Amino acid sequence: GAVVSQHPSWVICKSGTSVKIECRSLDFQATTMFWYRQFPKQSLMLMATSNEGSKATYEQGVEKDKFLINHASLTLSTLTVTSAHPEDSSFYICSASWAVGGTGELFFGEGSRLTVL
Amino acid sequence: DQQVKQNSPSLSVQEGRISILNCDYTNSMFDYFLWYKKYPAEGPTFLISISSIKDKNEDGRFTVFLNKSAKHLSLHIVPSQPGDSAVYFCAASSQGGSEKLVFGKGTKLTVNP
Repeated sequence: GAVVSQHPSWVICKSGTSVKIECRSLDFQATTMFWYRQFPKQSLMLMATSNEGSKATYEQGVEKDKFLINHASLTLSTLTVTSAHPEDSSFYICSASWAVGGTGELFFGEGSRLTVL
Repeated sequence: DQQVKQNSPSLSVQEGRISILNCDYTNSMFDYFLWYKKYPAEGPTFLISISSIKDKNEDGRFTVFLNKSAKHLSLHIVPSQPGDSAVYFCAASSQGGSEKLVFGKGTKLTVNP
């Protein structure tokens, strides 16, 4: 089955630094990738949708300049948390689909835990 | 190794009948389980959750059952409606839901009018 890998799985950084999280589709071309933030016991918050080669579409309330998303190739999307603060500490999860707009099957990455000190 | 498994990629039911979506897990540390619903071109939305201290949680037409000994949970939708047609993802977490979610591969439910 399709596999989506995230790296790193856990990152600890100092407040004010930037952190990049990668999301890779290992055995298929991911036309669309989604980035989510997970809150304990709560629903996933969709942060943005990215289609390969175009700018990401951010959900309302998500700061574009703080959460930079790049989907430069069909197998890789990156989320960069710029000037991270302790309140950004969370799990960040990506999902990928080979269909435009994510209308096809959706495969989730393993999640990346960000801890900002 | 898949820790959360949804063995049925698709399910088709008649409107008004019960839909039962199944999910199995292997990690005994999981103690919090969630179901998400996903429509085409949208992100998953939270549907219902259950903690391992319970064996049933009900919310309207949706009920989740947890069988810890079998490491199995199921989502029941009664009565099923055409608008319920979507992909349903089962997810599990440990530490009371504070650890990262592990997702199953989803089951596509089609409710026929």
